Amino acid sequence: DIQMTQSPSTLSASVGDRVTITCRASQGISNYLAWYQQKPGKAPRLLIYATSTLQSGVPSRFRGGGSGTDFTLTISSLQPEDVATYYCQEYNSALGTFGPGTTVDIK
Amino acid sequence: EVQLVQSGAAVKKPGESLKISCKGSGYSFTTFYIGWVRQMPGKGLEWMGVIYPGGSDIRYSPSFQGQVTISAVKSISTAYLQWSSLRASDTAMYYCARLPGRDGRVLWADFWGQGTLVTVSS
Repeated sequence: DIQMTQSPSTLSASVGDRVTITCRASQGISNYLAWYQQKPGKAPRLLIYATSTLQSGVPSRFRGGGSGTDFTLTISSLQPEDVATYYCQEYNSALGTFGPGTTVDIK
Repeated sequence: EVQLVQSGAAVKKPGESLKISCKGSGYSFTTFYIGWVRQMPGKGLEWMGVIYPGGSDIRYSPSFQGQVTISAVKSISTAYLQWSSLRASDTAMYYCARLPGRDGRVLWADFWGQGTLVTVSS
């Protein structure tokens, strides 16, 4: 089974800061990685798929990168509406695995 | 507009059965997977399984195999998640999601239902 880890588990930053979340897979997953945003009390929302492709309607301040086992989600300028938990998910295996999540809030 | 609309919240007693639903609209229901995700209170997301309504492909996570049944009725564009005997530990929010598939691989979840809260308590 593929295990996914994320760091940090929580992150506090100021509005306008550049924020980076790291996701690591226990084995190589090529570029089969997606990122989701979940705001409190809401369903998750797809942000990025295929490591770096922005889903339609997602602001361009979100950027995904990486390959193999190490991936990143970067928010170039943190906004108040970005307060949420962010999950990575691999879909290299038969039924993909989510990372444990990173909670982002405003300092 | 793609929409996945889930059935309402359910309150059940341990040992009771339950079937929750997820109705798709705005797209071809038989050409995408539908997946089910569990989120226990204050916890992360867990894939339970997926179904391809246009064929016979059903996949379960090892953690949920034998614990739940996933099905779909394509004539009414609806997928289901059911339990035959609920436990208190099944208390959670359950989401359905649409997933594209390609060459036997289930891809990302691009649209999500609003969630169904299941509470199991005596």
